[in-house]
Amino acid sequence: DAKTTQPPSMDCAEGRAANLPCNHSTISGNEYVYWYRQIHSQGPQYIIHGLKNNETNEMASLIITEDRKSSTLILPHATLRDTAVYYCIVRVTNTGNQFYFGTGTSLTVIP
Amino acid sequence: GAGVSQTPSNKVTEKGKYVELRCDPISGHTALYWYRQSLGQGPEFLIYFQGTGAADDSGLPNDRFFAVRPEGSVSTLKIQRTERGDSAVYLCASSPGTSGNIQYFGAGTRLSVL
Repeated sequence: DAKTTQPPSMDCAEGRAANLPCNHSTISGNEYVYWYRQIHSQGPQYIIHGLKNNETNEMASLIITEDRKSSTLILPHATLRDTAVYYCIVRVTNTGNQFYFGTGTSLTVIP
Repeated sequence: GAGVSQTPSNKVTEKGKYVELRCDPISGHTALYWYRQSLGQGPEFLIYFQGTGAADDSGLPNDRFFAVRPEGSVSTLKIQRTERGDSAVYLCASSPGTSGNIQYFGAGTRLSVL
């Protein structure tokens, strides 16, 4: 599975959009981009995933560049409860294998 | 329950002791994963079950670690002769095997080896 690179930390003002970048320049054609987050003392929580089209659900939007070498997770209106570590992962979806989490981005939402 | 359940939530043991950590996956999920998370790090893969069999155990650090899933549902992670370096949060996840293979995680068991 391809490796991802994320900034170690970010701040965002409450109520503003949080844009979390991820680089995955070695991604293969059949690898999906997944985003999880982990709030302190909890297990990781699935947010969203996509292959090449932009995706949106009730939690967030995922924007994948045309060359698929990077993506951005967007939390449209960040709240204090969105403070967490956010992990970007790439993986072939049908293998059933593990996720490689890396160290993620620690997002702090500021009142 | 609706989610993945892990017990105990906390376990304190002494160096050299044997411990068992339990995971109850979401009902009907065929795939089950164990991860280990050290402080300040992301979760690291240990082992993956598809049904009753271990499909990939390449992440187990050594032969002191063993996991079973005898009936294809509940899984137990077993650690023999615990060492202080085994202290971590042990996370379990399950997946239905469809819907993009999304993994749903439990809250974890915090293991402290004194």
